[in-house]
Amino acid sequence: RKEVEQDPGPFNVPEGATVAFNCTYSNSASQSFFWYRQDCRKEPKLLMSVYSSGNEDGRFTAQLNRASQYISLLIRDSKLSDSATYLCVVNTGGGGADGLTFGKGTHLIIQP
Amino acid sequence: EAGVTQSPTHLIKTRGQQATLRCSPISGHTSVYWYQQALGLGLQFLLWYDEGEERNRGNFPPRFSGRQFPNYSSELNVNALELEDSALYLCASSSGQPRTDTQYFGPGTRLTVL
Repeated sequence: RKEVEQDPGPFNVPEGATVAFNCTYSNSASQSFFWYRQDCRKEPKLLMSVYSSGNEDGRFTAQLNRASQYISLLIRDSKLSDSATYLCVVNTGGGGADGLTFGKGTHLIIQP
Repeated sequence: EAGVTQSPTHLIKTRGQQATLRCSPISGHTSVYWYQQALGLGLQFLLWYDEGEERNRGNFPPRFSGRQFPNYSSELNVNALELEDSALYLCASSSGQPRTDTQYFGPGTRLTVL
């Protein structure tokens, strides 16, 4: 089983719609969780950290379910500029190969 | 505040040559991470440096090596280049608390091996 799994998509969504991604992780010792956004041929940029109680940042809501080992990202009122690849990132605290592990990303396309 | 910087932006080499990539972390960050992102693949962890020492490395052959300097900048060296080494090489920095700290990425160096 892959350490961090994401549906690669692409998700084609009309502007203004709500879209949700899920991500599952295999290491139950994982300690911190993040969503990064990566535009084509650019570096990943932190979108938000994911806290156990769930957290919201504007149109973005992230949730963590430790029991089921999955993380979700919800984007409301999607904008054209939200088109990107969203990377689920899990940190087991080792700082290296057993530390920050990236999913391969979910590709989102917002259509006008 | 300046972000993570990397040089060069693009690098073209031929098989068998050596490549040197450079990274300067965010001021105050002591940890530097190197990742490889080949086309169509996710980010693969290469190396982690903290306080001048190599703390961990990913599943890459020994011809991938690096170092961290006293000013916390870092160098990644790839010897005996192979075609499959063509990828975007990303450097990230954090304040050195891997359990919780966020990693911030530089713009990357795109290495092409011909």
